[in-house]
Amino acid sequence: SQTIHQWPATLVQPVGSPLSLECTVEGTSNPNLYWYRQAAGRGLQLLFYSVGIGQISSEVPQNLSASRPQDRQFILSSKKLLLSDSGFYLCAWSTGTGRANVLTFGAGSRLTVL
Amino acid sequence: DAKTTQPPSMDCAEGRAANLPCNHSTISGNEYVYWYRQIHSQGPQYIIHGLKNNETNEMASLIITEDRKSSTLILPHATLRDTAVYYCIVSRANDMRFGAGTRLTVKP
Repeated sequence: SQTIHQWPATLVQPVGSPLSLECTVEGTSNPNLYWYRQAAGRGLQLLFYSVGIGQISSEVPQNLSASRPQDRQFILSSKKLLLSDSGFYLCAWSTGTGRANVLTFGAGSRLTVL
Repeated sequence: DAKTTQPPSMDCAEGRAANLPCNHSTISGNEYVYWYRQIHSQGPQYIIHGLKNNETNEMASLIITEDRKSSTLILPHATLRDTAVYYCIVSRANDMRFGAGTRLTVKP
């Protein structure tokens, strides 16, 4: 069966510090991978998605970046965090095959920038 | 810029059916309708999806109007654990964008 892992689960970072959130998927190959962010009390904002290694689509211009160094690994990074980067970051995957695109989400990483 | 419109909140009595509406008047022919829900502090959970026909699974039923411009998610016997934010998404591709959703509160 397929599983998705995100880490760290929680982190507190000072403004201006770097960020690296990691997401891995097991039990499938060539998945579509997604990063979403949810600010406190708000809906989910699509940040990046990837349909293959090295293929990243950015939805919102900001100080975040994403990389997909391996087929089932998706990394969200920042060189210098802003206060507005605080939020709940969710990774998701889908099979990428067929016409329907059903997402499975990880447990999330809660980031607080101070 | 989600392509769906949902009421911001709804209440439902425990044990009764919860009917959550979604308007997607600009849906195109090859776009699916998806429903997810998010319980507080968790990642969203997939519920159901459909293209043209009504669909049912162990969690819910999805009713799509004939013109496909709106749909209704039905939870047949709501329980307190169904209290969550419910998201309706319309998409044909990989860019799955969530709107604000409907906050459903199931009351005893």
